[in-house]
Amino acid sequence: DAGVIQSPRHEVTEMGQEVTLRCKPISGHNSLFWYRQTMMRGLELLIYFNNNVPIDDSGMPEDRFSAKMPNASFSTLKIQPSEPRDSAVYFCASLRAYSGNTIYFGEGSWLTVV
Amino acid sequence: AQTVTQSQPEMSVQEAETVTLSCTYDTSESDYYLFWYKQPPSRQMILVIRQEAYKQQNATENRFSVNFQKAAKSFSLKISDSQLGDAAMYFCAYRRDYYGGSQGNLIFGKGTKLSVKP
Repeated sequence: DAGVIQSPRHEVTEMGQEVTLRCKPISGHNSLFWYRQTMMRGLELLIYFNNNVPIDDSGMPEDRFSAKMPNASFSTLKIQPSEPRDSAVYFCASLRAYSGNTIYFGEGSWLTVV
Repeated sequence: AQTVTQSQPEMSVQEAETVTLSCTYDTSESDYYLFWYKQPPSRQMILVIRQEAYKQQNATENRFSVNFQKAAKSFSLKISDSQLGDAAMYFCAYRRDYYGGSQGNLIFGKGTKLSVKP
């Protein structure tokens, strides 16, 4: 079975540019999570969706960040405009309810904003 | 609010030896899950082992086992016969059990960096 698929794996962009990170959850999983990992703050939840509906977006740092899940097999995290402090590894993860409660992670998207 | 604490920022073990990584957590819930994730330099988050709070028996996965002490809110990871490939960051994580539902986030500790010496 394919795992959680994220793209791009690496991105370097200039400050002020728009960045879009993409995620395909594991087929059959109905919850999707976006995490950010930095040295300073560790792993932190940005937002999660249940059945394509955003449930908790309290971790989204500010209005520059937005996330969508138009269908069960695709989600995006957008940063506009990007800033150097957004440099981090962004993880997408998914979960299937009633099936062990284990959250599986993608390989992450390394973002560098210069 | 739930919290997860890993008190050992770094640990070191000799190849083939055994090492134990500590984790404590705080929660008022009675039903929850605990996890250990491994993060090698590639940054991928890999599930190592999972423990359901309602189970008294400690989980085991090959060379990895846990010591789950519910009353003490302690969840340590033991790695036996350590291998060079075990070198990584290890994160302890907590997730509330919503009776099989999919709500609820993973709460992570700060991580323990494990080095394995040849």
